[in-house]
Amino acid sequence: QKEVEQNSGPLSVPEGAIASLNCTYSDRGSQSFFWYRQYSGKSPELIMSIYSNGDKEDGRFTAQLNKASQYVSLLIRDSQPSDSATYLCAVDSWGKFQFGAGTQVVVTP
Amino acid sequence: GAVVSQHPSRVICKSGTSVKIECRSLDFQATTMFWYRQFPKQSLMLMATSNEGSKATYEQGVEKDKFLINHASLTLSTLTVTSAHPEDSSFYICSATQDKNTGELFFGEGSRLTVL
Repeated sequence: QKEVEQNSGPLSVPEGAIASLNCTYSDRGSQSFFWYRQYSGKSPELIMSIYSNGDKEDGRFTAQLNKASQYVSLLIRDSQPSDSATYLCAVDSWGKFQFGAGTQVVVTP
Repeated sequence: GAVVSQHPSRVICKSGTSVKIECRSLDFQATTMFWYRQFPKQSLMLMATSNEGSKATYEQGVEKDKFLINHASLTLSTLTVTSAHPEDSSFYICSATQDKNTGELFFGEGSRLTVL
C-alpha cells in the first residue's frame, strides 16, 4: 500500500465549476498536510497547508482534513484554465514528507 | 513564501561526466535541504536529506557514491551526479523548510538533466 494515494486523473472540469481532489494517507501519526500545484516541466509550488481537522479556505481553494478517516481533500472553486496542472498531496510524518503521485486537472473552456 | 533557487535549470552532458547542481535558500537559512528526483508523470522521489555541516542521509536504494551531496553552508547545498549515464536523466528538485514549526516545504525551480 502506498503511503499517500491520489487518483491520477485526468480530472476534467468545465471552466467555472468546482474541482474536487482527494488524498488518503496511511500513517496515523502524520501531523501536517499540504497541497502543491505543479505545472508541466516546473517544480511544485505550495498552495495550501492544513494541520487540524476541518476546513481551511484561501481564496478559491478549500482544504479539508479528516484525521480519523486519514483523508485530505482540496476543492477549487470557479475553476480557471490556469488551474490546469497536476496537484500533489503531501503528508509530513515526523519530519519526513511523503508525496502522492498527483492528480492531473484539466479545466476546459 | 521562502525563495529557493536552483541552478542550472537545464544541463546536457555526455555519458561518464559529472554534473553539479546547486540549491540556495535566498532569504532564509536552511539547516536542512532535501533532494528529489522526478520521472515523467511520476511523483517526487526523495533521494536524500542534506544536513548543514554533516553527512547527508540517503534514502534506501539511492547510491551515495553516485549522488554526492554537500551542504557547506546554511544557504547552499549541492548535488553532484558522478559518472552520469542516460538512466540518470531526470528532473532533480531541491527543497527546504523555512519554519520547522509549520513544516512548509519550498522548492527550487528544478534542474532537467539529460545524459547523452
